[in-house]
Order: sequence, then structure tokens, then C-alpha cells
Amino acid sequence: GAGVSQSPRYKVAKRGQDVALRCDPISGHVSLFWYQQALGQGPEFLTYFQNEAQLDKSGLPSDRFFAERPEGSVSTLKIQRTQQEDSAVYLCASSGSGGTQYFGPGTRLTVL
Amino acid sequence: AQRVTQPEKLLSVFKGAPVELKCNYSYSGSPELFWYVQYSRQRLQLLLRHISRESIKGFTADLNKGETSFHLKKPFAQEEDSAMYYCALDSGAGSYQLTFGKGTKLSVIP
Repeated sequence: GAGVSQSPRYKVAKRGQDVALRCDPISGHVSLFWYQQALGQGPEFLTYFQNEAQLDKSGLPSDRFFAERPEGSVSTLKIQRTQQEDSAVYLCASSGSGGTQYFGPGTRLTVL
Repeated sequence: AQRVTQPEKLLSVFKGAPVELKCNYSYSGSPELFWYVQYSRQRLQLLLRHISRESIKGFTADLNKGETSFHLKKPFAQEEDSAMYYCALDSGAGSYQLTFGKGTKLSVIP
């Protein structure tokens, strides 16, 4: 079946702009995760949803980062007033009952 | 807090040679360990997890709690094994978040 999809695949923003990144998880997957991967680093956890409930947002780096999953399916990660240090690949993953996390292709965000 | 260390950024081996990608972790509880792989221009995908005790594409990894290690091994490297490999830990504390190492780039020389 279809895997996790993310859009856009690439996003260039001027410093100070707001951006919204979308994740479509595998159908039926209850859990959804967002990770941030800076250049040369491994992915770092941002936030976790179980259905529509955001159960863990301990990894969000500042209050400029906000994530939602209002209907328990599609999720959006929003970054307000982007800064250069926000430049990274943003990965979305979903998992079902087995617990294995399946990753999307990522959105590469470049803040100029 | 949990931590995953992959000491090698780059590992080059000749085709047919044995491969060992090192992974050490720090966590006081009973974590679950994973290896993820990212081939060129592809997404991150699960290679294996320690509870499965499987061999995937000839790779194996054994969890050594005494040494807090989860090294990935393959007896004979193939060119198609060239990729980025990430070791990851799930603390099992309920949040299910993965803590990743920085990754090791494996290059298999033909």
C-alpha cells in the first residue's frame, strides 16, 4: 500500500516567514511522529500524536513550532517566524499496532 | 536521558569483507534497539530490531546489555549495502519516540 507522504518536498522561506509542512500517514496508523534532521545529524524527535491527541511535544525547540492532527489522520507542522537555524529536513513517521515507525521522504526546509 | 553513539561517521570496506557498524547506547532501563538504513535518494527504512532477532539482507545485530552495545554485522559486504545507517533507541517509557545516533555512512568498494 501507499507509504507515508509529505508535502512539499522542498520549501524555501525567507527569514521571518511562516511555513506549514504536511504529513499523510499510512492509512489506519494511530501513531504519528515528527522529527527534525539537521545536516550531518540523526533525526531528533519533535512531537508525537496518538490519533488526534498530542501526547508528547517535549522535542519542539521553541514556541514558534506548532503541530496538529485534528482528525487523527493528516498532520501539519507549522513554524512561525522562521529562523536560519530552522533549516533542516523534517521527517514524519507513522506506526500501527506493531510499533515499527515508517518514515516519509521528508521536507527539506531552507531558510534564507 | 538516553543517548545513542555511533563512533564512525564513515566506514569503507571492500566488497566481500566483513562489516561491523558500531552502536553504543546509554539508558538505565530496558530499551528497544533498532537499525535504520537510508539508501541514496530513498527514505529512512527499518533494517532490523533487536526483539525480532532476525537477519535482514545478511545483517545481524545482538543486544549486549553488559556493554550497552548493539553493533550491526555482516560477514560479506555487497556493493548494494552502501548507505547511511542509523542506530536508534526506544526507551519504552511510553512516548515511543526514537533517539537516533548521528549515523555511519558505509561505503563498499568494488
